[in-house]
Amino acid sequence: EDQVTQSPEALRLQEGESSSLNCSYTVSGLRGLFWYRQDPGKGPEFLFTLYSAGEEKEKERLKATLTKKESFLHITAPKPEDSATYLCAANLRDSSYKLIFGSGTRLLVRP
Amino acid sequence: DSGVTQTPKHLITATGQRVTLRCSPRSGDLSVYWYQQSLDQGLQFLIQYYNGEERAKGNILERFSAQQFPDLHSELNLSSLELGDSALYFCASSVDLAETQYFGPGTRLLVL
Repeated sequence: EDQVTQSPEALRLQEGESSSLNCSYTVSGLRGLFWYRQDPGKGPEFLFTLYSAGEEKEKERLKATLTKKESFLHITAPKPEDSATYLCAANLRDSSYKLIFGSGTRLLVRP
Repeated sequence: DSGVTQTPKHLITATGQRVTLRCSPRSGDLSVYWYQQSLDQGLQFLIQYYNGEERAKGNILERFSAQQFPDLHSELNLSSLELGDSALYFCASSVDLAETQYFGPGTRLLVL
């Protein structure tokens, strides 16, 4: 069964304390790995798409990387405004184009 | 703002009732997706439309149905509502199949 697992479930950081979020996937065939940010009561906001192992993408304090089995979202020197739930999702290489989401990591950055 | 709009923002209704959720995709996007987000299930794919045609189905209940109209907006119809249908319903759109999906702000449904 296709599955996406994220860890940790929740993460508390002090402002400026760098860390990484993990997304491991077990899927029949990966077309792309997506990262989204979701604020409470809002829709997921697109961050990155990664297509092949070894690929890296950066945006401000965030960097996403991809291996054959997992993806990492590195947060460098986070600020309180980075507090949100971060979701990863696998887009399968099959006839559907649905996203299979992990359960998310709730990040809290304290000043 | 992703450019995807959803109405209404909030909906409160009773068990057994029927509701319609509406989604307008980003300008130029041909594909529309519906997802359900509940506390215990996370984000779950329901159904996808591409240029007016149903393209893929997820674990969508038979009580639920959707369609995409010629102007590309989409509606999700939920009938015989149960307490467990209370959730956030998101619409997403993409310019084409396999492209990045951009999500709307969601409709929060509460079934009492």
